[in-house]
Amino acid sequence: NAGVTQTPKFQVLKTGQSMTLQCAQDMNHEYMSWYRQDPGMGLRLIHYSVGAGITDQGEVPNGYNVSRSTTEDFPLRLLSAAPSQTSVYFCASSYVVAPQETQYFGPGTRLLVL
Amino acid sequence: AQSVTQLGSHVSVSEGALVLLRCNYSSSVPPYLFWYVQYPNQGLQLLLKYTSAATLVKGINGFEAEFKKSETSFHLTKPSAHMSDAAEYFCAPWGKSTFGDGTTLTVKP
Repeated sequence: NAGVTQTPKFQVLKTGQSMTLQCAQDMNHEYMSWYRQDPGMGLRLIHYSVGAGITDQGEVPNGYNVSRSTTEDFPLRLLSAAPSQTSVYFCASSYVVAPQETQYFGPGTRLLVL
Repeated sequence: AQSVTQLGSHVSVSEGALVLLRCNYSSSVPPYLFWYVQYPNQGLQLLLKYTSAATLVKGINGFEAEFKKSETSFHLTKPSAHMSDAAEYFCAPWGKSTFGDGTTLTVKP
């Protein structure tokens, strides 16, 4: 299994540009989520999905859209990038949302918005 | 308000010394807690998790954590630090929740 994969690893955008961060998992996990990691602020939940066709907002959803058309993929879209979105983005998945379930994380995407 | 609080953003120990990383949780949080480790330029990976089966939880790489309801704590410990333990450590409640702010562990030779 490849686990959780993310592309690209690094991206530079200009303010106002749009882009999609890709996330895929091959573990047949129902639950997938996106976090952003900023210095001194830990990981904050952006959006999550409990299954194909179902998404919901996390703590910091503004400026981001998601969709879940398949179990495997959970892309994160930035429609109009802003410097405040400069961050490291992690995608994670788990089999289900249950107390004992471990989340598996991708290697991250480093985004710089100029 | 954050549901877990990590005390100390940076901890420095000497190689071979005890490692203690502190995590306190809100009493409103269901008692299922995780510790994750993040090595430089990598994603997070699970160290250990508490799911109410036993209050003392043993994880990978010699780490363990004890769930103390009376203190609402889930501190992470390791008896003897190794240089390879240098990383950032995150305490997290289960499910759709935000992680703690993280504690960076430095190990001095």
